[in-house]
Amino acid sequence: EVQLLESGGGLVQPGGSLRLSCAASGFTFSSYAMTWVRQAPGKGLEWVSAISGSGSTYSADSVKGRFTISRDNSKNTLYLQMHSLRAEDTAVYYCAKGAALTMIFENWFDPWGQGTLVTVSS
Amino acid sequence: DIVMTQSPDSLAVSLGERATVNCKSSQSVLYSSNNKNYLAWYQQKPGQPPKVVIYWASTRESGVPDRFSGSGSGTDFTLTISSLQAEDVAVYYCQQYYNTPITFGQGTRLEIK
Repeated sequence: EVQLLESGGGLVQPGGSLRLSCAASGFTFSSYAMTWVRQAPGKGLEWVSAISGSGSTYSADSVKGRFTISRDNSKNTLYLQMHSLRAEDTAVYYCAKGAALTMIFENWFDPWGQGTLVTVSS
Repeated sequence: DIVMTQSPDSLAVSLGERATVNCKSSQSVLYSSNNKNYLAWYQQKPGQPPKVVIYWASTRESGVPDRFSGSGSGTDFTLTISSLQAEDVAVYYCQQYYNTPITFGQGTRLEIK
């Protein structure tokens, strides 16, 4: 069974930093693109960043230069390093697996983790 | 960026009746080389992560009840639940994966009338 477990969320002050992790199991992690999607409280879904199995990355303009997606295929773990956090970054952050093996960034997502809440507030 | 617009924002349907959610993209998500529409639908129940129900616009995910169906092509798509069950209460999102950045519709809240 494919499982994704996020961790690392919490309360951080504006301008602060945080690193999220997503531990993956149940599939060949290195073969699949992975992505981060966030959801502000009571709002819709916003795609954040994606990374291919080999490490190519793509990020939304809203986080470019502040967030960095990475992965450690030896540890089956996905990361999101977040710097210069703003109030508008407050959200539940989900990691998700790219569903189709042969597709990289242009992919649908299945499954999703349970999410980790990041709150940016003073 | 491709803008995805769903309608309606919320919908109340009686148990056993048909529910229809629409999704319109600002540009075509039909890839001509393989004739596939790069469009997925997700279901998100309260307190849970999204779950894919339809991909390639009309392919039902394994384990999803056959009362769920997807249709449409190009820029206009529809998610239909043929006979609404209580467990279908959720917010439904469409997503295009034709190009990056990946974008989602704003969501449609489906409730029981």
